[in-house]
Amino acid sequence: EAEVAQSPRYKITEKSQAVAFWCDPISGHATLYWYRQILGQGPELLVQFQDESVVDDSQLPKDRFSAERLKGVDSTLKIQPAELGDSAMYLCASSLAGGFYEQYFGPGTRLTVT
Amino acid sequence: AQTVTQSQPEMSVQEAETVTLSCTYDTSESDYYLFWYKQPPSRQMILVIRQEAYKQQNATENRFSVNFQKAAKSFSLKISDSQLGDAAMYFCAYIRGGTSYGKLTFGQGTILTVHP
Repeated sequence: EAEVAQSPRYKITEKSQAVAFWCDPISGHATLYWYRQILGQGPELLVQFQDESVVDDSQLPKDRFSAERLKGVDSTLKIQPAELGDSAMYLCASSLAGGFYEQYFGPGTRLTVT
Repeated sequence: AQTVTQSQPEMSVQEAETVTLSCTYDTSESDYYLFWYKQPPSRQMILVIRQEAYKQQNATENRFSVNFQKAAKSFSLKISDSQLGDAAMYFCAYIRGGTSYGKLTFGQGTILTVHP
């Protein structure tokens, strides 16, 4: 069964360093999402892509976060510089299309900023 | 803005028994979808069940069913014949319909423990 792949699974970084996460969605899924999930809370959407275009990045802290999906397939989320408050699980999800279509989640990247 | 509230941080159930997880939401939209997602420890989140707001009939998926009360804006999940594998964090989620760009809004989650 096709799955959403994410790497790395765990990342420890020091404050002010740069960090990047990678996501490979299920083949054929046009819509890709990046979520941040603080321990014990529900995920919050950071950015949504439709193919290679950003359709919602209203909750993305653009002074330090960036996301791209250059060829409309895999995607990278970057944080520079990392802050202590960025410690969280970063989840990637994909779906056939936006809206009510089922979102398939990856295993996530657990980020710890020291 | 839409909000989703899960008032039960933790629930527990005996194996083979039935448990109900609660969820309320707030929206001014008439076209929307509601979901329950399951997040097992150290594993990815998966969709358990989905309900379209325009459907009066409650959704069911094997041992999982919902009680959708549209007027009360309530959407509870019933798990029958609970199994050890049902232990997980459960999230209620909402998305506006009629658009490809709606944002999935999650509740705070309910940790379900299943006792053998």
